[in-house]
Amino acid sequence: EAQVTQNPRYLITVTGKKLTVTCSQNMNHEYMSWYRQDPGLGLRQIYYSMNVEVTDKGDVPEGYKVSRKEKRNFPLILESPSPNQTSLYFCASSLLGTGWNEQFFGPGTRLTVL
Amino acid sequence: AQTVTQSQPEMSVQEAETVTLSCTYDTSESNYYLFWYKQPPSRQMILVIRQEAYKQQNATENRFSVNFQKAAKSFSLKISDSQLGDTAMYFCAFVTGNQFYFGTGTSLTVIP
Repeated sequence: EAQVTQNPRYLITVTGKKLTVTCSQNMNHEYMSWYRQDPGLGLRQIYYSMNVEVTDKGDVPEGYKVSRKEKRNFPLILESPSPNQTSLYFCASSLLGTGWNEQFFGPGTRLTVL
Repeated sequence: AQTVTQSQPEMSVQEAETVTLSCTYDTSESNYYLFWYKQPPSRQMILVIRQEAYKQQNATENRFSVNFQKAAKSFSLKISDSQLGDTAMYFCAFVTGNQFYFGTGTSLTVIP
């Protein structure tokens, strides 16, 4: 089944404790992206990647890191989480071609930073 | 700056009726794509419809259609014959360059 998976689905952590949210897709998509969703703010793009070893900042990259060492994986790293990073996080992927195709989203990760 | 505005935070519609969700956007780019995504209570993001900005013809997917007015930078979504399963948050979005921009969403409730 074609899908984007994220782990963990729920995470409660404390300020300053490094964490990684994994994202994996099995569709051989070149484009992958991370978003955060907050009430009243919609979805905001954190980072995106056009292919292996190619990453770029979105609108809200502060406090986050990413890496793209393999085509299928795009982990989101919070080196020192803070309470303002409490949010719902989505990973997404898309096939690149002539124009922009549908983004397939993961199920989301609910992160709470105390 | 690239922005997407959804001016209706909440809307409701009677089952089987038609409803239109509004969306305006701002970009100085000429090449972009527009999307409507649906997020039901399960939180899963589902593509509803996609529009290429260089195409004048409005996209249609079954009961869902858009009214794309490029000069006005408007991209509204019309849902015909509303069904209970259409109850969800709806997000308007566009992509230009390689970056995506989403609106703040419209929460739609279909009333039986």
